[in-house]
Amino acid sequence: DVHLLQSGGGLVQPGGSLRLSCTAFEFTFSDYWIQWVRQAPGKGLEWVANSNQDGGRQNYVESVKGRFTISRDDAKNSVYLEMNSLRGEDTAVYYCARDGDRSVGGVWVDVFDIWGQGTVVTVSS
Amino acid sequence: AIQMTQSPSSLSASVGDRVIITCRANQDIRIELGWYQQRSGNAPKLLIYGASSLQSGVPSRFSGSGSGTDFTLTISSLQPEDFATYYCLQDYNYPRTFGQGTRVEIK
Repeated sequence: DVHLLQSGGGLVQPGGSLRLSCTAFEFTFSDYWIQWVRQAPGKGLEWVANSNQDGGRQNYVESVKGRFTISRDDAKNSVYLEMNSLRGEDTAVYYCARDGDRSVGGVWVDVFDIWGQGTVVTVSS
Repeated sequence: AIQMTQSPSSLSASVGDRVIITCRANQDIRIELGWYQQRSGNAPKLLIYGASSLQSGVPSRFSGSGSGTDFTLTISSLQPEDFATYYCLQDYNYPRTFGQGTRVEIK
């Protein structure tokens, strides 16, 4: 069935790096934007970043600009979130999501319709 | 960044109750708003996109309305599986921003 499988989380020291992976199954990965959303312990959802179909357009929340980078490997049906200079406030569950954007009354809207299971990132010494 | 404010932050309701959650944007976002449900420990699930379009497979007891700055999510008859946290998300511009969430608890 259509799903996203995440991997790559873990414990890292402040200032360290991690790469999260998000692999697509049973759909044409290269047709979709991919979104990253995180949730700090006991907190709400925070949008982190996204990438268009070929990786040429990316957007990031201000707090991760210059530290996080999205890359895509269509041959592996995968998108990656490279996280550098990690801080304690980056501690969260990270989710990737497929964006099946649709036109509603002529307006293109985001549709985060398929989500990965989430992966835990803990930044601590 | 656009600020999204949900109300209430939490509510207690009984099975069969009608529940209304509101989300207000601090600027006009047209209809570029979605609603997501998150059950404890799970990934979010899309309910509504484009303010009022029901995602395929989502029960018809869920509905969304609004445009501009004021939006509502209505659950017409609360079911046991609906006890969860609900988030609105604006996709009008970047950064995308979520509301703070509304926790729906069992009365």
